[in-house]
Amino acid sequence: KAGVTQTPRYLIKTRGQQVTLSCSPISGHRSVSWYQQTPGQGLQFLFEYFSETQRNKGNFPGRFSGRQFSNSRSEMNVSTLELGDSALYLCASSYRDSPEKLFFGSGTQLSVL
Amino acid sequence: GIQVEQSPPDLILQEGANSTLRCNFSDSVNNLQWFHQNPWGQLINLFYIPSGTKQNGRLSATTVATERYSLLYISSSQTTDSGVYFCAEGTYNNAGNMLTFGGGTRLMVKP
Repeated sequence: KAGVTQTPRYLIKTRGQQVTLSCSPISGHRSVSWYQQTPGQGLQFLFEYFSETQRNKGNFPGRFSGRQFSNSRSEMNVSTLELGDSALYLCASSYRDSPEKLFFGSGTQLSVL
Repeated sequence: GIQVEQSPPDLILQEGANSTLRCNFSDSVNNLQWFHQNPWGQLINLFYIPSGTKQNGRLSATTVATERYSLLYISSSQTTDSGVYFCAEGTYNNAGNMLTFGGGTRLMVKP
């Protein structure tokens, strides 16, 4: 059974650009959530999608957005990149609302120059 | 929201030693979990332990919900145990799933 797949693994962008990150959940999982990890702020919740609907959103500016497709794959977009957006972005999928069936991908390391 | 504090922030062990990692919460917990972040960045779900004690091989975890803390025990540590350990309180309901993480304990096991 394939795990949670995030692409790309590494990304380098410059300030002002926009970026799209992709997450393919485990087959059958309908909940996909996103987290940002930085050395200064640690792991912070971005948003969560279930059956193409955003159910919850963390305390991030509107430059951070996401969506989920009918096959449960999810994308997150960051517009007008800032240096502080450099981070590891992690995606997690779960089967319905089950904490014991929560699995993370290996993340996308975004560097903003 | 709930605040999660972990201690110690850093830990260096010799292979074979035992260790205890602690997680304190500012409020009651209902969905306490422990994760291990491997060198490739992936978070591995170790335990879902809202209360009581669970064991999985050399790892065990105990949560005392009434006193708002949880402990992760690592016995006979191995170099492959190195990485960062996180505890987190989860919310899982129709309003959405989300985790609130502690700052982590960075563990280095030396051969």
